[in-house]
Amino acid sequence: EMQLVESGGAVVQPGGSLRLSCAASGFKFDDYAMHWVRQAPGKGLEWVSLISWDDTVYYADSVRGRFIISRDNRRNSLFLQMSSLRAEDTAFYYCAKDIRVGASTSGYAFDIWGQGTMVTVSS
Amino acid sequence: SSELTQDPPVSVALGQTVSITCQGDSLRRDYAAWYQQRAGQAPILVIYGKYNRPSGIPDRISGSSSGNTASLTITGAQAEDEADYYCASRDSSGKLVIFGGGTKVTVL
Repeated sequence: EMQLVESGGAVVQPGGSLRLSCAASGFKFDDYAMHWVRQAPGKGLEWVSLISWDDTVYYADSVRGRFIISRDNRRNSLFLQMSSLRAEDTAFYYCAKDIRVGASTSGYAFDIWGQGTMVTVSS
Repeated sequence: SSELTQDPPVSVALGQTVSITCQGDSLRRDYAAWYQQRAGQAPILVIYGKYNRPSGIPDRISGSSSGNTASLTITGAQAEDEADYYCASRDSSGKLVIFGGGTKVTVL
């Protein structure tokens, strides 16, 4: 069974840093692009970042320069290093798997999602 | 940058048909992906590519498009179809992912 499990969510002060992790299982992790998507309480989905199978990365304008996405294919893990956190970064953070194998272009069809981890930025 | 605009909340009687739309310039280039998010749960992909359904998605859920508008149709709505529905595509650069604001579907 394909599965994603996020961890690392916490309450952090404005300006602080946090690292989220996502453990993947049940599929060949290094064949797929992986994404982070977030959802503020009571709000819609907001795409955050992607890392392709060949380590190409893209970021939403709202997080570029503050967040860094990375992956460790040996550990089947995805990460999101968040710094200079703001109140507006408060959200549930999901990792998600691109449905396409070895895609060279950005995808937006995510067939597997984790259950999410909550990040609260507050003093 | 690009935007995807979705319908306000809609309601549908049990067993009836409802269609919701997603509008955006990127949809002239991309087929929309659609996600279903039930209350308190993670999103689920229900339509991708040229109107494909992932395994396990019932065939009463279908996709279509015309010009800059993508549509999701639920034919014979069931109680379990009550959810927020989000469309997705890419921005004008083709590199970044964008989501619509979502449409809440209530099954009466």
